[in-house]
Order: sequence, then structure tokens, then C-alpha cells
Amino acid sequence: DVKVTQSSRYLVKRTGEKVFLECVQDMDHENMFWYRQDPGLGLRLIYFSYDVKMKEKGDIPEGYSVSREKKERFSLILESASTNQTSMYLCASTSIRTVNTEAFFGQGTRLTVV
Amino acid sequence: AQKVTQAQTEISVVEKEDVTLDCVYETRDTTYYLFWYKQPPSGELVFLIRRNSFDEQNEISGRYSWNFQKSTSSFNFTITASQVVDSAVYFCALSEALKGRGSTLGRLYFGRGTQLTVWP
Repeated sequence: DVKVTQSSRYLVKRTGEKVFLECVQDMDHENMFWYRQDPGLGLRLIYFSYDVKMKEKGDIPEGYSVSREKKERFSLILESASTNQTSMYLCASTSIRTVNTEAFFGQGTRLTVV
Repeated sequence: AQKVTQAQTEISVVEKEDVTLDCVYETRDTTYYLFWYKQPPSGELVFLIRRNSFDEQNEISGRYSWNFQKSTSSFNFTITASQVVDSAVYFCALSEALKGRGSTLGRLYFGRGTQLTVWP
């Protein structure tokens, strides 16, 4: 069974902390994405990566950075967590080897910044 | 620029009613992909369907059906004889085809979602 796994389901952090959200996929996918989901706003793209050590900004990159040192792992970093980053974070991956596929999502991380 | 609009924020129906969730999209690409995902209260996104821009054939899967019309840029989703377990947030999404990468999936653009509540 193919999987995208996010390291934590729930996370509570303090304002100003550096926060790492980890995402690992076991499908050998080239493309990986981090989305943020807020009520009434849908999913918004934070960052994405089409290859190892490659990253591109999405629609709302401010306050975030990413790291992709290995193909299977894509990390989202909150440099200094703030309360407005309290949200649901979803990681996804896709393959370039076939057009007949979908975006596979992790189970999500509900982050609360207090 | 790509955009997906789900005008219905919330829909409530009683079990066994039919319900249609609307999705309108905007894109200048000639090759693109459309999706529907279901998000139950547990939070994970469940893939329901993918449609390629060159395939306007409608699809039926059990109680679910999808109507893709390029002329109106719509990709609507109908649940027939709804059940309580259908209660969830439903997202419509559009993906660009990555040029130079075999027209495979790029990033997804999501609508804001429709909260469907089915009452017993």
C-alpha cells in the first residue's frame, strides 16, 4: 500500500519555537508538496519540490522554509512559530512517470501554536 | 492563472436525497487534470476521481457520478441516495500538466471546499 507519512498527527508548540514537520513517501515520487488548510480557505500551497535539493515557493511561503535532502523526505520548517501558523498541514507527492495517477496525501498534522 | 470555485460552502440534506456539488474552474492550459477529494472528520484526504482535460466522458461509480463539461468549465459531483457516511468536506482541484515532464501532475489548485452534512 502506497504511503505518504507525516511525522506527527497533532503538535503543540510555543510562539517563537523552530518547528519541523516531516513528510516521507515510499513511492519513489519525484514531486512533493506542502499545503496548509484553514476553514473556509481550502488548501493553499506553501512550497513544493520537483527534485532533490530543489524547492520552489508556492502561494504562501512567508514564515516557512523547506528542505529536501533525500528524494523520499520533504521537511517543512517554521523558523519562528507564530499563532497565525496554527493550522492543518498536509504533505502530498506525485510521480512524473505516469499521467494516470493522483496526488497522494499524508494524514495531516494539526499544529497549534500557543 | 488557475482557479477553482466551489460556490456552495455548506449543504445539508436528509438521507436518501440526491445532492450535487458544483465546481467551476479556470485555466489557460489545454492539458490539465481535475480531481475530487473527500475529507471526512478524521482529516485525511480521500481521492475520489481524476479527469483528464481531453476526456469529457462522464463517469459513474456506484452512488457517485461526475459531469465534466469543458464548454462551461464545470466538473460537478452528484451523490445519489445520500447516506450519513457521505458527510464530509469535499474538495474540487485542478492540476496543471508539467511541461517538459511528460505532462504529468504539477501542483494542485483547490477550491475552498463544500461541507456536506447528511442527516438521518
